[in-house]
Amino acid sequence: SQTIHQWPATLVQPVGSPLSLECTVEGTSNPNLYWYRQAAGRGLQLLFYSVGIGQISSEVPQNLSASRPQDRQFILSSKKLLLSDSGFYLCARVNSGANVLTFGAGSRLTVL
Amino acid sequence: GQQVMQIPQYQHVQEGEDFTTYCNSSTTLSNIQWYKQRPGGHPVFLIQLVKSGEVKKQKRLTFQFGEAKKNSSLHITATQTTDVGTYFCAGAGTYKYIFGTGTRLKVLA
Repeated sequence: SQTIHQWPATLVQPVGSPLSLECTVEGTSNPNLYWYRQAAGRGLQLLFYSVGIGQISSEVPQNLSASRPQDRQFILSSKKLLLSDSGFYLCARVNSGANVLTFGAGSRLTVL
Repeated sequence: GQQVMQIPQYQHVQEGEDFTTYCNSSTTLSNIQWYKQRPGGHPVFLIQLVKSGEVKKQKRLTFQFGEAKKNSSLHITATQTTDVGTYFCAGAGTYKYIFGTGTRLKVLA
């Protein structure tokens, strides 16, 4: 199984509150992992990717951060949310030897 | 940085009509992938094109990769209501996958 688990599925947070979104994957070890954000009705913006434990590449400077404490765990965090952080956050994986993205079901964040 | 644009942004068609979305990259692509996202869902991989001028078909869907490997198109023949969703192209690099802006398709029965 190449299942990707994301939680929470939906959340509503006040401006200035912290955030933690979790993504865990099953199946093949050492996958490349990705966080994308999709604003309402918009495209997919690459936020972070990781090619291994503790390795994080950031694509867009912002108040978000990512961590990969275990091979199959990828966490997206923020210390203080902004209104503009609202969106649909998608975790994705690519297995070694393949180059196709497989997405999780996503976490829908509304910042009020 | 690399930018990938798609046109049109939205398209409404009558069921049975054809539909085409175009993808243009600011840089040459090693390959291009297409994904479909149903309303409320997550993107799902459709196909990958690698060779210059490549054409691939999946039932009513035809995918093309430009000769210069900077553009691509997806054509759907005789759309059905099940084709509703947003279609994204993506340029796939060594680690990074840069998505196009997407084309949202609505099919009117």
